[in-house]
Amino acid sequence: NAGVTQTPKFRVLKTGQSMTLLCAQDMNHEYMYWYRQDPGMGLRLIHYSVGEGTTAKGEVPDGYNVSRLKKQNFLLGLESAAPSQTSVYFCASTKSGVRYYEQYFGPGTRLTVT
Amino acid sequence: SQKIEQNSEALNIQEGKTATLTCNYTNYSPAYLQWYRQDPGRGPVFLLLIRENEKEKRKERLKVTFDTTLKQSLFHITASQPADSATYLCALQGGYQKVTFGIGTKLQVIP
Repeated sequence: NAGVTQTPKFRVLKTGQSMTLLCAQDMNHEYMYWYRQDPGMGLRLIHYSVGEGTTAKGEVPDGYNVSRLKKQNFLLGLESAAPSQTSVYFCASTKSGVRYYEQYFGPGTRLTVT
Repeated sequence: SQKIEQNSEALNIQEGKTATLTCNYTNYSPAYLQWYRQDPGRGPVFLLLIRENEKEKRKERLKVTFDTTLKQSLFHITASQPADSATYLCALQGGYQKVTFGIGTKLQVIP
């Protein structure tokens, strides 16, 4: 199993450009998440999905959109990139159910907006 | 608002000693608390989960305690090794498997 994969690993954008980050998981997990991690701020939830075709806002959703057309994929879009979106982005997935389960993280995407 | 506090300063410890990391939280009544390890340039990796009705959980050299009265969790690594050097994240569990993370404590084990 590859677990959670993210593409690309690195990207540099100019202000105003758009891009899509792709997250894929092969563990048949229902729930998927997008986080950003900034120095001194920790991991913050951007958007999440509890199943195919559903998405919801997290703590810091402004400037981002997401889609979950297939269960194994979760896309994060930046429509008009801003320098404040320079960050490391992590995707994670976990099982659903009444118990609580650990989250599996991808390797991250380092995005710089100039 | 909910708040998780971890000592943001790095913790330096001699090899072989026990490292103790602290996680405090406010305005939260978590049923579960998790600890993750993160190495530079990589995503967090799950280590341990402890439930509110469990006082202590162990896994090999790792031990986690959870005191819901003090609103605190302690994370211990016994017989620490240089390979244990990493940032350790405390996380509180919410609905829809949503997890709120602390900023982490960087541990440096000195040979």
